Amino acid sequence: GESVGLHLPTLSVQEGDNSIINCAYSNSASDYFIWYKQESGKGPQFIIDIRSNMDKRQGQRVTVLLNKTVKHLSLQIAATQPGDSAVYFCAENNYTGTASKLTFGTGTRLQVTL
Amino acid sequence: DAGVIQSPRHEVTEMGQEVTLRCKPISGHDYLFWYRQTMMRGLELLIYFNNNVPIDDSGMPEDRFSAKMPNASFSTLKIQPSEPRDSAVYFCASTGEGQINTEAFFGQGTRLTVV
Repeated sequence: GESVGLHLPTLSVQEGDNSIINCAYSNSASDYFIWYKQESGKGPQFIIDIRSNMDKRQGQRVTVLLNKTVKHLSLQIAATQPGDSAVYFCAENNYTGTASKLTFGTGTRLQVTL
Repeated sequence: DAGVIQSPRHEVTEMGQEVTLRCKPISGHDYLFWYRQTMMRGLELLIYFNNNVPIDDSGMPEDRFSAKMPNASFSTLKIQPSEPRDSAVYFCASTGEGQINTEAFFGQGTRLTVV
């Protein structure tokens, strides 16, 4: 029978507008969070990270916000460009003292329209 | 540095055959990770190494899967025997220079198709 795959949420944004991609994480003990961008046929590429003792971090055209109260992470992309079209993953890291595990979310597809 | 290098880029094999995926991490990185990506389950961590030693292999699905890191510049992920449900894109990533809590650099992946 037909297999059921992940249905990636899709965000469509017009070129030049700002994009906001949201992510809910599961483990309140997670101490480090990363946003990755994955273009078709390529591996995930690091965008920006944030540690759990921060609530905001800015990069070039990107900002990550962390709300530990509701376990929510967001990625804001300013002046979205066609090259930003990709699947975006958030990942949370949980370090147990002997091992560390990075768990990825299911991803959001960003489509930039001209 | 050329980044994380994986080979082959594509692999098509028949069910029951042995498959070996290869990875060369970035020079100087202490941690090496193997991930599997499928539409059903997204990106899953299979196993990771620190200084060539396996640290956490809880993500390895079955005994058919094994991974080795004989030295700091090479790792393999082997599936024997392969099954159609193993079809996925397998990524290798490395990070470190002593830190695990930092960005991981991913290879281009190996797309495995088991028929």
